[in-house]
Amino acid sequence: DVKVTQSSRYLVKRTGEKVFLECVQDMDHENMFWYRQDPGLGLRLIYFSYDVKMKEKGDIPEGYSVSREKKERFSLILESASTNQTSMYLCASTLSRLAQWSSTDTQYFGPGTRLTVL
Amino acid sequence: KNEVEQSPQNLTAQEGEFITINCSYSVGISALHWLQQHPGGGIVSLFMLSSGKKKHGRLIATINIQEKHSSLHITASHPRDSAVYICAVKDYDKVIFGPGTSLSVIP
Repeated sequence: DVKVTQSSRYLVKRTGEKVFLECVQDMDHENMFWYRQDPGLGLRLIYFSYDVKMKEKGDIPEGYSVSREKKERFSLILESASTNQTSMYLCASTLSRLAQWSSTDTQYFGPGTRLTVL
Repeated sequence: KNEVEQSPQNLTAQEGEFITINCSYSVGISALHWLQQHPGGGIVSLFMLSSGKKKHGRLIATINIQEKHSSLHITASHPRDSAVYICAVKDYDKVIFGPGTSLSVIP
């Protein structure tokens, strides 16, 4: 079974702090994604990566950066956390290199990190 | 108007009831995905379909491409089915998620 793990389930930070969210997948997947999930808005893509050291902006990249130094690990960085970044953050991965999701591939999600910024 | 809409937003059912959750979308798609999210956050894939119908256990998913509509049915619902059900569609180069339907099945 594919396993996607995230470093923390719950995290509380203060405004202005630098925050690192880590995601690791164990199935040699090419693509990795970071989403945030807010009530009534669904999941929104922040950034994704299709290869080591490669990154692409998603729909809401402002205020975030990412790092992918190893294939299995994809980090989301909040350079200076703000209260509007309080959210559930979900990491996902797919085997395929095709766009974001081929018709035969599926995304495997991590358990999520609920971040609160005070 | 959101590109992917789901109805109902919230649903409470008695154990054993037949449940239908609907997804409508306004973009051209190559695939539609139903996901289940349990309390605590983890998301699992239920179905990915591009036409017709798929069945897995008590779950059935259908899609009508012409009408841009998909339904997820749960037969003989059980309290363990309580979760948020999310519809997602794949546009040409991106995936768009619906807001989710929160289902609560009462014993």
